[in-house]
Amino acid sequence: SQQGEEDPQALSIQEGENATMNCSYKTSINNLQWYRQNSGRGLVHLILIRSNEREKHSGRLRVTLDTSKKSSSLLITASRAADTASYFCATGKGGGKLIFGQGTELSVKP
Amino acid sequence: NAGVTQTPKFQVLKTGQSMTLQCAQDMNHEYMSWYRQDPGMGLRLIHYSVGAGITDQGEVPNGYNVSRSTTEDFPLRLLSAAPSQTSVYFCASSPTSTGQEGELFFGEGSRLTVL
Repeated sequence: SQQGEEDPQALSIQEGENATMNCSYKTSINNLQWYRQNSGRGLVHLILIRSNEREKHSGRLRVTLDTSKKSSSLLITASRAADTASYFCATGKGGGKLIFGQGTELSVKP
Repeated sequence: NAGVTQTPKFQVLKTGQSMTLQCAQDMNHEYMSWYRQDPGMGLRLIHYSVGAGITDQGEVPNGYNVSRSTTEDFPLRLLSAAPSQTSVYFCASSPTSTGQEGELFFGEGSRLTVL
């Protein structure tokens, strides 16, 4: 079963707008990661947030983690057409099993 | 560094045939894993390895075998291909022992069709 589930499944916005994607998970975790996948390509790591962190920033990315609600959000500010991609969260709780969610497909229109 | 290299990029098989998807990394990473990606299913973990000589099952291991005789290579073997194994396969590696405390580096994928 999937550990992480992203919401929404698809998101379409205009360039310059902010994009928010959510990830929910079922069991306790050590950390949560977000990845981006451009069409036809492999996944690229964006950011990792540990279970004892609540918020983390990287450039135009802001990730929050609420362990009490078992959820995380990824915010992309001032989006660009180049941000068009699928975004996945991944959770790990030990032992090597890093489990990915189903992804959010983001489309940024110029 | 080439990173994570997967071969072949595309493959068509007939039901019942066997084949091996190759994965090699030149970053001296301990952790390697195989995922399959299907529409609407996201990425599902097939097998993983936390070091040479050590492998373990993921979420969907049936129909696949792996071995890890060297740090660099982690081949995925399809024993008797079935149409349900039509998918895009990704190999990933990580410098951390479990792949969870740092980023995964992904290959570009191997697109397999089983007729």
